[in-house]
Amino acid sequence: DTEVTQTPKHLVMGMTNKKSLKCEQHMGHRAMYWYKQKAKKPPELMFVYSYEKLSINESVPSRFSPECPNSSLLNLHLHALQPEDSALYLCASSPRRGGATYNEQFFGPGTRLTVL
Amino acid sequence: AQKVTQAQTEISVVEKEDVTLDCVYETRDTTYYLFWYKQPPSGELVFLIRRNSFDEQNEISGRYSWNFQKSTSSFNFTITASQVVDSAVYFCAFAGANSKLTFGKGITLSVRP
Repeated sequence: DTEVTQTPKHLVMGMTNKKSLKCEQHMGHRAMYWYKQKAKKPPELMFVYSYEKLSINESVPSRFSPECPNSSLLNLHLHALQPEDSALYLCASSPRRGGATYNEQFFGPGTRLTVL
Repeated sequence: AQKVTQAQTEISVVEKEDVTLDCVYETRDTTYYLFWYKQPPSGELVFLIRRNSFDEQNEISGRYSWNFQKSTSSFNFTITASQVVDSAVYFCAFAGANSKLTFGKGITLSVRP
């Protein structure tokens, strides 16, 4: 199984809503990532989890809250978002060979988020 | 700091043409890794290749080939006999030994029938 799955595919939410994005992988990877991608731009790293611990937070606003319940699951909790947070949110995972984060990353299909 | 430059922004070719996507990087690291990803209209980034800085051998996989040249800090990607299904955004990316993945701005490739 070489897939990263993400749910939901699309999400529309108001600025006062609370919602969560979910990501799952069964490749035994021990590093998982959240990226944000605006239209016609490259992905921007948000968070990195390594062995279920948060290792990188790229100064992301606290209205985005990541969670890694186990080695296969990664959640992104959303609260009080702004319209400018509308984007494609991509999850990725990678093996963590050699203890470094430069291994190839495998991406899910993304959740297209619209904040009204 | 590392930098990845994809100077081409959009390329349009007719099916069966060969096309080369350019990627130039800047780094002071001696150990680093280079990647190419494909992002079709569906949105998912598809991993194509990973190359480390010590391996300058060119690679061929079917219609895809990659030319890594440290002397010019380039890692170019050629698609031979392009097909409509190759239409996508292609990202070149760089990672140092202990740094996050840095993407180039991407090249939009359109292959017309």
